[in-house]
Amino acid sequence: IAGITQAPTSQILAAGRRMTLRCTQDMRHNAMYWYRQDLGLGLRLIHYSNTAGTTGKGEVPDGYSVSRANTDDFPLTLASAVPSQTSVYFCASSDPALGTDTQYFGPGTRLTVL
Amino acid sequence: GENVEQHPSTLSVQEGDSAVIKCTYSDSASNYFPWYKQELGKRPQLIIDIRSNVGEKKDQRIAVTLNKTAKHFSLHITETQPEDSAVYFCAASMRSGGYQKVTFGIGTKLQVIP
Repeated sequence: IAGITQAPTSQILAAGRRMTLRCTQDMRHNAMYWYRQDLGLGLRLIHYSNTAGTTGKGEVPDGYSVSRANTDDFPLTLASAVPSQTSVYFCASSDPALGTDTQYFGPGTRLTVL
Repeated sequence: GENVEQHPSTLSVQEGDSAVIKCTYSDSASNYFPWYKQELGKRPQLIIDIRSNVGEKKDQRIAVTLNKTAKHFSLHITETQPEDSAVYFCAASMRSGGYQKVTFGIGTKLQVIP
């Protein structure tokens, strides 16, 4: 059982390029989340998904899009990357319906936009 | 929306001493308060949590207290060890539809000096 995985581990990207960060979980959790982590700002929610087929905007959604075609996968796309999107990105999942509110995090993707 | 403040931002203690990290929150609807530990280059991992119907919870050397009236909660680590050195995040959380709406503090960097 892998839990929650992310790919790539790190990436250097030229500004203006398109990039998709991948996130997969095998815990059958309904809810999934994308956060960015920046020094001094903590973890901020970009987008979330309650369940397959639905998505919602978090605190900092501009410049990002997500999709949730199935329970396991929740990719995050930067349509045209900008340097301010340089950050560490964490995917997380949870399932309140299972009686727990705990969010489990993936290992993160370190993205540098030049 | 919810606002979580966390203090101090950095904390140095001698090995064996206690460490205390304090957080306040603003939204009385928050009812779940997890604490995460993040080691350098790693993912945040849950170390302890508390629900709003409980005032205190303890797990070995770690304890969390919650004062709902004052809207503040604290993490207490006793008999600190060098491996406790990490960044600690508090969070205030509530269920919103089918997902967990979590607001994180900006983190406390704890250094335990051998």
